Amino acid sequence: ILNVEQSPQSLHVQEGDSTNFTCSFPSSNFYALHWYRWETAKSPEALFVMTLNGDEKKKGRISATLNTKEGYSYLYIKGSQPEDSATYLCASPRVVSNYQLIWGAGTKLIIKP
Amino acid sequence: DSGVTQTPKHLITATGQRVTLRCSPRSGDLSVYWYQQSLDQGLQFLIQYYNGEERAKGNILERFSAQQFPDLHSELNLSSLELGDSALYFCASSVARDSLYGYTFGSGTRLTVV
Repeated sequence: ILNVEQSPQSLHVQEGDSTNFTCSFPSSNFYALHWYRWETAKSPEALFVMTLNGDEKKKGRISATLNTKEGYSYLYIKGSQPEDSATYLCASPRVVSNYQLIWGAGTKLIIKP
Repeated sequence: DSGVTQTPKHLITATGQRVTLRCSPRSGDLSVYWYQQSLDQGLQFLIQYYNGEERAKGNILERFSAQQFPDLHSELNLSSLELGDSALYFCASSVARDSLYGYTFGSGTRLTVV
C-alpha cells in the first residue's frame, strides 16, 4: 500500500465493551507510527509514537501494537467509556515526503451509554 | 492547555484581504507545522519550519506564506483571500525535525472569509 489506511471508518460501541481498530501503512522504509485522538471541537492529541516492530504501548485503558514487517498497527480500548468518543487518527512519516506525516482518514468511535 | 498557543482563535474577514495567524510552540520544541482543516476534510499539511528554516512544504498555495522567527514562534500569512480559504488552521510543534516524536497541537484559528 502507498498510503496510510484506517478501518473501520466508524464504529459504534456499547459503554463497557472493549474494541479495536486497524491502521495499515507501507512496510517498506518504515520510520515511525503515530496515533492521535481527536475529540470534536478540540485539537488532536498525541497518544503514542511507535518505532520498533513488536512494540506495545499502553496509556490507561488504551493500548497499541505495531507490526512493521506486515505494515499494521492495532489500537485497543478496554472497557469503553463515553469520554472515549472521538476520531482516532494514525499517521506515518515517510522518507519520500521528507518525513512529513502521512495521515489516515481516521476511525470515528462513538460510545453508546 | 497543550503548551502551543495560537492566536487569534477566530477571524472573520472579507475576500481579497490578508491575514496573519500566529503560533507559539511548546517550550523546547524546534519544529512548527501548519495544517489546514476544511469542512469535513482531514488535516492537510501546509508547511514545516525547524529552528528557523523551512523544512518541508505540502499543499500550500502561492498566496500563503509562513516564517519562523528567532524566538521560534511562527506566522502564517494568507493573502488575496477567497471563500474557499475558510477553514480551521492548526499549528503543531514537535521537539524533533523528522516526526520521530509526537506533535502537540494548538487549539486552532478558525478563519471565515465572507
